[in-house]
Amino acid sequence: QSVLTQPPSVSGAPGQRVTISCTGSSSNIGAGYDVHWYQHLPGTAPKLLIYGNSNRPSGVPDRFSGSKSGTSASLAITGLQGEDEADYYCQSYDSSVSGVVFGGGTKLSVL
Amino acid sequence: QVQLQESGPGLVKPSETLSLTCTVSGYSISSDYYWDWIRQPPGKGLEWIGSIYHGGSTYYNPSLKSRVTISLDTSRNHFSLKLSSVTAADTAIYYCARARGPTIRRWFDPWGQGTLVTVSS
Repeated sequence: QSVLTQPPSVSGAPGQRVTISCTGSSSNIGAGYDVHWYQHLPGTAPKLLIYGNSNRPSGVPDRFSGSKSGTSASLAITGLQGEDEADYYCQSYDSSVSGVVFGGGTKLSVL
Repeated sequence: QVQLQESGPGLVKPSETLSLTCTVSGYSISSDYYWDWIRQPPGKGLEWIGSIYHGGSTYYNPSLKSRVTISLDTSRNHFSLKLSSVTAADTAIYYCARARGPTIRRWFDPWGQGTLVTVSS
């Protein structure tokens, strides 16, 4: 059971917009700790997509955006492409466990 | 371009010590940043193991702290993970990553590709 809760899977057609939620609590996201997002294709190195809730590293397309409100955060992907099919993970800090925590991951399928 | 590569035995016996190395290229680990280990058991989510600062300070997941040691070897530009008294629950893909920020604001970029370690007799 992950500290941060993500839907196991989401899907969308090419060109559509999808969002992936990351639900936490008052000891992590709700306490104001930053949320970061990663894209992971099994067998490869996970890739940083969003850091500090809404910042994109250089090289990440602006189709990817992050937001945070209350005890939750979201990753939005617009203009879905086949290459976006991957697992997505959120990450934050939790004061009750005194450490970095991750969501359980969401598998994105592009129909 | 900074690259990280994990290496070490793929099979460890129960009760023994798991030892992995992360070799960094394209950046001197003694210059800056935190250097972290993260793992993913089969079919499960990611778990942060711990971190070492370029100056040598270490920070561990409280749930693993009693069994974990992370160290730096600046002469070889690599850092290492030792996890003692392993059980089948420690079977996982182990990733190393460069980390920015103190633990409360940390993010990881880049990551290594990961190495599967199986604990079995």
